[in-house]
Amino acid sequence: GENVEQHPSTLSVQEGDSAVIKCTYSDSASNYFPWYKQELGKRPQLIIDIRSNVGEKKDQRIAVTLNKTAKHFSLHITETQPEDSAVYFCAALSGGSYIPTFGRGTSLIVHP
Amino acid sequence: NAGVTQTPKFRILKIGQSMTLQCTQDMNHNYMYWYRQDPGMGLKLIYYSVGAGITDKGEVPNGYNVSRSTTEDFPLRLELAAPSQTSVYFCASSRKTGTGNQPQHFGDGTRLSIL
Repeated sequence: GENVEQHPSTLSVQEGDSAVIKCTYSDSASNYFPWYKQELGKRPQLIIDIRSNVGEKKDQRIAVTLNKTAKHFSLHITETQPEDSAVYFCAALSGGSYIPTFGRGTSLIVHP
Repeated sequence: NAGVTQTPKFRILKIGQSMTLQCTQDMNHNYMYWYRQDPGMGLKLIYYSVGAGITDKGEVPNGYNVSRSTTEDFPLRLELAAPSQTSVYFCASSRKTGTGNQPQHFGDGTRLSIL
């Protein structure tokens, strides 16, 4: 089955810095990669996703890149703000599956 | 749309008691899921359903049961509560499309303590 590794487990940055979280996957059939943000005590919420037919997607300060050859995808947050502090989960799904495989999560701390 | 609604938000149970966690969605999603999340940890899949009348086990199904009699509702049943089931439970749903996978929508969670 699919295996998703997520690094780092904890990331501490200063406000205004950039943050990068990387995930690697094992199943070459995976073609959909969502990212979820979970604030403390709240539910996970989708922030951005990417499909295997594109290499990069941006939404304001957030971007996701995908390298299918190397089987890894990354979340990039620019100009970080304290409200970006949360746990971020990556996930991977193949076309024939409806059960995502989640990474273990990255706790992002943005210091004012 | 309300999205995915879970009740109750909080509950304290005694060991051996039973309870049902309710989950309903109003987005006409085919797929529904139950996860548990222990403190500081990721999401573990308990059960899932691909449509009314169809359910299947996830990674950690022991001690739980589910049913899916309608598209909207997917209740999770704990028969004999144990301290190891203390956790936050999230229900999620997603849509089946012909164009590819779609993201999951999560409820606000049920915080369950077993004492």
